[in-house]
Parts: sequence; structure tokens; C-alpha cells
Amino acid sequence: DTEVTQTPKHLVMGMTNKKSLKCEQHMGHRAMYWYKQKAKKPPELMFVYSYEKLSINESVPSRFSPECPNSSLLNLHLHALQPEDSALYLCASSQAFPQRLAGGTYEQYFGPGTRLTVT
Amino acid sequence: RKEVEQDPGPFNVPEGATVAFNCTYSNSASQSFFWYRQDCRKEPKLLMSVYSSGNEDGRFTAQLNRASQYISLLIRDSKLSDSATYLCVVITDKLIFGTGTRLQVFP
Repeated sequence: DTEVTQTPKHLVMGMTNKKSLKCEQHMGHRAMYWYKQKAKKPPELMFVYSYEKLSINESVPSRFSPECPNSSLLNLHLHALQPEDSALYLCASSQAFPQRLAGGTYEQYFGPGTRLTVT
Repeated sequence: RKEVEQDPGPFNVPEGATVAFNCTYSNSASQSFFWYRQDCRKEPKLLMSVYSSGNEDGRFTAQLNRASQYISLLIRDSKLSDSATYLCVVITDKLIFGTGTRLQVFP
């Protein structure tokens, strides 16, 4: 089973709202990722969690706040977003993360994404 | 120079054609390479890993040229369902996506 699930599939929120995106995997992967993807562009890495610790934050604005409650779950809390934050938000997981040098493979499996619209 | 580069295309090919894409990378320490396909408004799906000795999966062949620092993807006997964007991923101490190559297969 190489399934990564994400909820919700679609989200429309105002600039003053607080919402959360959720991601789950049951493959025993120890690395989980958040990406943002705009139309006709490749996915843009936002955060990486490795062994439930934040390993990479690609200078993402603080209105995006990631959380990894356990090895299977990854959340992205959203607050005071801007219209330009509208995009497809993708979660991914892999057995290991390259910086860990702990062995394992780096193939990433993506969830279906949450299409976010900020009004 | 970008760390990972791909020809954006689009590559428009007839069914049954053979088509090849390249992906060049700038960091010689890159250690792992992958090809993903992404359909419109869908998530990227892993197509294949790229091994040093090259690898084949049905109609798809991936190769790595470390000397010239590129990976390639060859698709034989193209099908309409192969129409998608093909993204390469290069791993050093971080994961970098290429910008993607759009393939359109026509009847």
C-alpha cells in the first residue's frame, strides 16, 4: 500500500480564517513533506519532517505552521493567509530523508493534495 | 544556472512514436534520481527510480550519465495515456524538482 491521504480535497477560506490541512500515511515512512504547487509550476518544498522533527523550513512565512503529532500524521495550520497563497498543497512521504544518512530509500509518495483558495 | 533543468516542451508526438526527455543537474554530488509523471490537476506519481546501470520498465527506460550530469527518460510506442508532465527529481542533501516537460500524444 503506497497511499498517502489528505483532507480536505478543497478548501476556501477568508484571509482572517484559521484552518488546518491534514495528511496521513501508514507505510512506516519516517520522512514527511509539505509542498506548494502553483499552476504550470513544479512542486515547491515548504517543510520536511524527519523522525517527527522539523528538518527543513524553506523560509516559509509564519502564517503556515506545520505540526507532526506522530510518525503517521502531518498537519499544516493556516492563519491569516493571502490570496497569493492559493495553490495546490501536496503532502508526501518517503522511507528516509537524504540528510539523515540513516539508510532507506528516498522515493516520495504524494497524496492527492488540497486545493486551497484564499478569498 | 538552475540546479535541475528540463526542456519545458511541449513535445507533441503521434501514437506509437518514441520520445526522449533529458534532465540536467549541476551538483556532481547528486546521489539519487527519479522520474515522476503528473497529470493535470493531480499529484505527481512516481514513474521510476534511475539507477547507475540504467533501468527499464516496460516501454520506459531511464538512464543516468554522471559524466555529463544528466538523466534521461525514453518512452517507446507512445500511448494517448502517456500525455502528462514528466518531472525529474535530483537528490543531493535535499530534493530538487525539475520544472517538468509536457508531453502530448495525439492520435
